[in-house]
Amino acid sequence: EADIYQTPRYLVIGTGKKITLECSQTMGHDKMYWYQQDPGMELHLIHYSYGVNSTEKGDLSSESTVSRIRTEHFPLTLESARPSHTSQYLCASTLEGPRLEAFFGQGTRLTVV
Amino acid sequence: AQSVTQPDIHITVSEGASLELRCNYSYGATPYLFWYVQSPGQGLQLLLKYFSGDTLVQGIKGFEAEFKRSQSSFNLRKPSVHWSDAAEYFCAVATPGNQFYFGTGTSLTVIP
Repeated sequence: EADIYQTPRYLVIGTGKKITLECSQTMGHDKMYWYQQDPGMELHLIHYSYGVNSTEKGDLSSESTVSRIRTEHFPLTLESARPSHTSQYLCASTLEGPRLEAFFGQGTRLTVV
Repeated sequence: AQSVTQPDIHITVSEGASLELRCNYSYGATPYLFWYVQSPGQGLQLLLKYFSGDTLVQGIKGFEAEFKRSQSSFNLRKPSVHWSDAAEYFCAVATPGNQFYFGTGTSLTVIP
């Protein structure tokens, strides 16, 4: 079982609120990712990090921001939530080399009302 | 550019029947290929992966997949489907830089 955790699992919040989605992994992986997934849709990469103090934007433009101050922690922040941000957010980390594999958290289902 | 195509958005099979989920990829070099399964409200779980070597790979839960370079395909199969296999299945390709590209997924319904 993967040791990558996301909190909260579900969040309903009002428009304009600031929110932070937490993601932590205890596997010591350098590379971490945030994906956005709408129901029945593919996963879209919105942010990734190759290590501490490294953050990059993904293929899908997002109004969210991320930080990577510690290896194990990769939080995603929305400064002002809007209904268009309603989605599922999945965090992942990868083990490199011959054992390359992406490990996923259980996701955060965000609803902005 | 890398891409993954899963032509079947939704598949329905009877319990006990065989299953094949299709996946085609576009990638310039030898790909790293994956199949993940996602149950409702959950994250993705790895079923199997292919890096090199034997083109038929075995995974968890009785799944297998075959890599066919000539067809740029990596189809997932299971000889006998169980009701608990109902889920969303994602094919993915990864680059050496660890960028994962996912298909749009195939939703599997299993009827008794």
